[in-house]
Amino acid sequence: EVQLVESGGGLVQPGRSLKLSCLASGFTFSNYGMNWIRQAPGKGLEWVASISSSSSYIYYADTVKGRFTISRDNAKNTLYLQMTSLRSEDTALYYCARGATPWGQGASVTVSS
Amino acid sequence: DIVMTQGALPNPVPSGESASITCQSSKSLLHSNGKTYLNWYLQRPGQSPQLLIYWMSTRASGVSDRFSGSGSGTDFTLKISSVEAEDVGVYYCQQFLEYPLTFGSGTKLEIK
Repeated sequence: EVQLVESGGGLVQPGRSLKLSCLASGFTFSNYGMNWIRQAPGKGLEWVASISSSSSYIYYADTVKGRFTISRDNAKNTLYLQMTSLRSEDTALYYCARGATPWGQGASVTVSS
Repeated sequence: DIVMTQGALPNPVPSGESASITCQSSKSLLHSNGKTYLNWYLQRPGQSPQLLIYWMSTRASGVSDRFSGSGSGTDFTLKISSVEAEDVGVYYCQQFLEYPLTFGSGTKLEIK
């Protein structure tokens, strides 16, 4: 069964950093591009970042460019999102997704003092 | 950026009736390869989004044939024939023609 499990979320103060992980199983992780998508409380979906299977191509939303870094370790079947200079507007449930499907259950990030 | 605009539903929709959700893109999503780069997702209450339709009209694995996608390069429709209680949630269209990937604002479906 294809499974994606996010971890690393939590409560963090504005300006601080946090690193999310997404552990993949049930498929050949190194063959797939991966995405991070977030959803602020009560709001819609916002794409955050994408990375190709070999990390050759990386893209970011303008709202996080320069603050967030997407990466992956194909040997560990894990996708990462390093988030720095966090703002209150980064508060959201962060999903990882294998391409368009499936999505993980999400990791909650709350940025508040 | 490509803007995705979704229409609303006349909620609640009576069980067994059909429902159509519209989505418009600010740029044609029809690629020169003949494929239209549009996905449809359903997010049930309390759950992660799940892919329903990709390439505008191809049902994802395990998705009921009550769901169908159609459209042109900029105007799209997700039709749900004979809505059921399990169809309740928010539906999103998304373009994947170019970055940044963009979603519509979502269309809520309620069942009567």
